[in-house]
Amino acid sequence: QSALTQPASVSGSPGQSITISCTGTSSDVGGYNYVSWYQQHPGKAPKLMIYDVSNRPSGVSNRFSGSKSGNTASLTISGLQAEDEADYYCSSYTGSSTQVFGTGTKVTVL
Amino acid sequence: EVQLVESGGGLVQPGRSLRLSCAASGFTFDDFAMHWVRQAPGKGLEWVSGISWNSGSIGYADSVKGRFTISRDTAKNSLYLQMNSLRAEDTALYYCAKDIGQWLVRIYLDNWGQGTLVTVSS
Repeated sequence: QSALTQPASVSGSPGQSITISCTGTSSDVGGYNYVSWYQQHPGKAPKLMIYDVSNRPSGVSNRFSGSKSGNTASLTISGLQAEDEADYYCSSYTGSSTQVFGTGTKVTVL
Repeated sequence: EVQLVESGGGLVQPGRSLRLSCAASGFTFDDFAMHWVRQAPGKGLEWVSGISWNSGSIGYADSVKGRFTISRDTAKNSLYLQMNSLRAEDTALYYCAKDIGQWLVRIYLDNWGQGTLVTVSS
């Protein structure tokens, strides 16, 4: 159950698109299409943004999209806005009723 | 409106025990799996444990296996985490979270509490 690997930080200007990667192994990200992404603003609880690799829960902006290739999942935020500045975490099912989170990525809007 | 309210955190000495509780309301508690997730100060999220809707499936992170026990009481709409043999590295904000499903397979957490802080120190 090692944490999935994410870049520590990603930045972009308003209106731009950014992509956050999430690298695991064939035992987690690569082995299941059960990847999700969470957004966490400072001092707040996390919020589910993407599930099943690319599905958005009701109420989540369509500016957020997810994908996966092999052992790496990705979250893309298009039309970057100031309110998107937050920490983002990926997560994946790892088998045997367990899951693991990524190391987290701080998104900065320049 | 879904509400999850954690309690039971506090300062505890290494090696001692603590029991966290999570009171759930605003949804049919019996229908969903539930989880504990923790976050050490200034650090990332760590999934701790999960329990299926009927307590038939339970999972633990390797870091807590054998020390922590998750349980749920449907009559009280409550989730619990019994934490034994606590270590300094267990210091964190502990969140209670609701799954979108019943089982511990597609683990997606759509509602979270505000957390209860556990500090393990002598």
